[in-house]
Amino acid sequence: DAMVIQNPRYQVTQFGKPVTLSCSQTLNHNVMYWYQQKSSQAPKLLFHYYDKDFNNEADTPDNFQSRRPNTSFCFLDIRSPGLGDAAMYLCATSRVVAVGETQYFGPGTRLLVL
Amino acid sequence: GIQVEQSPPDLILQEGANSTLRCNFSDSVNNLQWFHQNPWGQLINLFYIPSGTKQNGRLSATTVATERYSLLYISSSQTTDSGVYFCAVLPETGTASKLTFGTGTRLQVTL
Repeated sequence: DAMVIQNPRYQVTQFGKPVTLSCSQTLNHNVMYWYQQKSSQAPKLLFHYYDKDFNNEADTPDNFQSRRPNTSFCFLDIRSPGLGDAAMYLCATSRVVAVGETQYFGPGTRLLVL
Repeated sequence: GIQVEQSPPDLILQEGANSTLRCNFSDSVNNLQWFHQNPWGQLINLFYIPSGTKQNGRLSATTVATERYSLLYISSSQTTDSGVYFCAVLPETGTASKLTFGTGTRLQVTL
């Protein structure tokens, strides 16, 4: 089945130690998104890639970076995780960026910062 | 920016009961989706419904775009319906990529 895959499902890191979260997709979609969801809150968009074009949200901290080496994979890098970065990180894809497009979400990676 | 409010915030149902979840939004939208987030965190698309009515099994949704609200109906609820239900919108005046999620309704279905 075509899908959005996130690894690992759970990640524990130490305060200040860089961490990378991974997302892959078999849908061959052009757009990949990263969302942050803190406990009991709604998902919040961090950035997205349309093909190789990176689009950062204005309020996304510099601590968060992303890479998309090819169509299938996208990575979220947190350079110096703080306690406030503990959250669920959701990857999503869509075919294109257009008003009628549905976004498909992966299962998420739950990040714990010690 | 656009405000998206959902009600009720929390809902407890006995298995077999029906429920209606509401999503109000403060500005005109091009895109409205309903999602179910299961207890393990997976977000699952339920409906893409910027206007009109759609049905899928025990679930149906109605969006009245002119009055800026959408309703999600769950009939004959089951324990597997538990989780958080989000509506998410694309405002007409925003960027086509940025879905704004509502505040969510947490549903618990008990035996």
